[in-house]
Amino acid sequence: DIQMTQSPSSLSASVGDRVTITCRASQTISTYLNWYQQKPGKAPKLLIYGVSDLQSGVPSRFSGGGSGTDFTLTIRSLQPEDFATYFCQHTYNTPPTFGQGTRVEI
Amino acid sequence: QVQLQESGPGLVKPSETLSLTCTVSGGSISNYYWSWIRQPPGKGLEWIGHIYDSGSTNYNASLKSRVTISVDTSKDQFSLTLRSVTAADTAVYYCASALFPRRITVFDFDSWGQGILVTVSS
Repeated sequence: DIQMTQSPSSLSASVGDRVTITCRASQTISTYLNWYQQKPGKAPKLLIYGVSDLQSGVPSRFSGGGSGTDFTLTIRSLQPEDFATYFCQHTYNTPPTFGQGTRVEI
Repeated sequence: QVQLQESGPGLVKPSETLSLTCTVSGGSISNYYWSWIRQPPGKGLEWIGHIYDSGSTNYNASLKSRVTISVDTSKDQFSLTLRSVTAADTAVYYCASALFPRRITVFDFDSWGQGILVTVSS
């Protein structure tokens, strides 16, 4: 299975900050990389698919980049509703696996 | 808009069988892949497996010996059976699918149920 490693595991930030989360795959996954946001007690929400395509309804302050094995999720200007846990996921082959999550907190 | 809803018992005894159902409403179960994903409390997400409307399945090798996913297209439902459970199977179980037209793969999960907590305990 492809292992997905996120860093950092958690971070503290303030409203208005620019935040970057990284995700590294244990082997090349081309551009088969998604990002999800999860709030406590809720199901994950798809934010970005195919490395950089924003899911419908997701604010443009979210962006994704990278290719091969190294990827990033950037939140340009953190808003109060962005405090959550973020997961990367590869979709290169079966099984699709997820990173361990990055908790973004105040 | 398609909605997914998990149902089933919230408590299962060790060594017994966990059975959950996902009901799809607001749309048809046909022509899509339907997945089960789980999340132990405070931990990450694990894809369990998926099924197509034809009944074709694919499972995570880590669980394959204990898992069966089935579909009932007449009821727009699909189900998960996990045998010989232990405390390590305690988790929130989600049903999910990739339904939006621009998806790249069947693993781009844009639609999720609310999740159901299943605790394995005697």
